Amino acid sequence: EPEVTQTPSHQVTQMGQEVILRCVPISNHLYFYWYRQILGQKVEFLVSFYNNEISEKSEIFDDQFSVERPDGSNFTLKIRSTKLEDSAMYFCASSEAAGPGQPQHFGDGTRLSIL
Amino acid sequence: AQSVAQPEDQVNVAEGNPLTVKCTYSVSGNPYLFWYVQYPNRGLQFLLKYITGDNLVKGSYGFEAEFNKSQTSFHLKKPSALVSDSALYFCAVRRTTSGTYKYIFGTGTRLKVLA
Repeated sequence: EPEVTQTPSHQVTQMGQEVILRCVPISNHLYFYWYRQILGQKVEFLVSFYNNEISEKSEIFDDQFSVERPDGSNFTLKIRSTKLEDSAMYFCASSEAAGPGQPQHFGDGTRLSIL
Repeated sequence: AQSVAQPEDQVNVAEGNPLTVKCTYSVSGNPYLFWYVQYPNRGLQFLLKYITGDNLVKGSYGFEAEFNKSQTSFHLKKPSALVSDSALYFCAVRRTTSGTYKYIFGTGTRLKVLA
């Protein structure tokens, strides 16, 4: 069964440094998402992306965050200048279509630790 | 505003007994409801969804959920729990209006099935 893959599984970065989290969505999927989960808390939406544009973003997704689909397979989340509170598990998800009944398929996540 | 509540942080059940994980929602309009499961160090796996039609929906691994519009609930159930069902379960809702495809997740319920 096709999967969403995320790399790295764990990223440790100094505060203030830039970090790029990478995702390879399922190949025929067109809609892409990032979520984050701070330890012990619920999963929160960050951003959705379709047709090389951001469809929606949350208030968490400020100017320090950006997303990109640099080629036909990768989908990246960049944090320009990391803060301690960015430490979380970041999940990439994709879906084949946009309908609200379409389930999103999640990767196993990247654990981001900011020191 | 849309919201999802999972009133129990943890549910303990003996192996072989029926289990219920509770979820209530608040949305304007018709709800699209989902259950996901998260195993340790893994991403969220889709279990089942309610879109329309029968109030009892069946999903993966023998799970089912009952949609109750009058009580605004979507409880997850399984007739006979397995130790391997022990995991973190998330209820989620999506809006039906256009332009918003994100999930709004509950805080999660940890299910512990005791041998």
